[in-house]
Amino acid sequence: GDSVTQMEGPVTLSEEAFLTINCTYTATGYPSLFWYVQYPGEGLQLLLKATKADDKGSNKGFEATYRKETTSFHLEKGSVQVSDSAVYFCALSMVGGATNKLIFGTGTLLAVQP
Amino acid sequence: DTEVTQTPKHLVMGMTNKKSLKCEQHMGHRAMYWYKQKAKKPPELMFVYSYEKLSINESVPSRFSPECPNSSLLNLHLHALQPEDSALYLCASSQDGLAGLYEQYFGPGTRLTVT
Repeated sequence: GDSVTQMEGPVTLSEEAFLTINCTYTATGYPSLFWYVQYPGEGLQLLLKATKADDKGSNKGFEATYRKETTSFHLEKGSVQVSDSAVYFCALSMVGGATNKLIFGTGTLLAVQP
Repeated sequence: DTEVTQTPKHLVMGMTNKKSLKCEQHMGHRAMYWYKQKAKKPPELMFVYSYEKLSINESVPSRFSPECPNSSLLNLHLHALQPEDSALYLCASSQDGLAGLYEQYFGPGTRLTVT
């Protein structure tokens, strides 16, 4: 079945460090890909999305490129801040599928230290 | 405005109580969702409403009863819950129920504790 695999956390970085959180997917069709962020005690916020191969999603300094050849959607940021500390979820949804269901990865906790 | 609101923020209930969770969106979205999230886990889909009709029930126990009174409102009625039902309950909405085309917007959640 369709699935999303994320790197295990926690990821601990110093402020201004470069961030990569790996995400790969398995899908039988053509998925849309998303990154959601969850700050402590809050709901999920959409961070960015990409709906077709080679699309790049970007928001608030975060970027991810939809790579069909490697079935990946890695999240990157050039310089993290303490305020970026949160759990990051990679997710997919199948375009044209029978159900409008988000399939989530397990989440990656990011802790940024000053 | 991309806001989904949920009330209450916190809820403590006994196993014999009946309570309801409420969710509201004013983005004109026609699909609404209930998720359950346990600590350190991703959200798990419970129900999907598309154009005010229940389109997906992920084999959720009958002690959870969803209701969609209109396109802006979504309720989750709770009855005879178990302690293992304690979790964060998230509501979400999307422009349409068409799979994969539209992102979902989440509310802040209701933190439910069953005693």
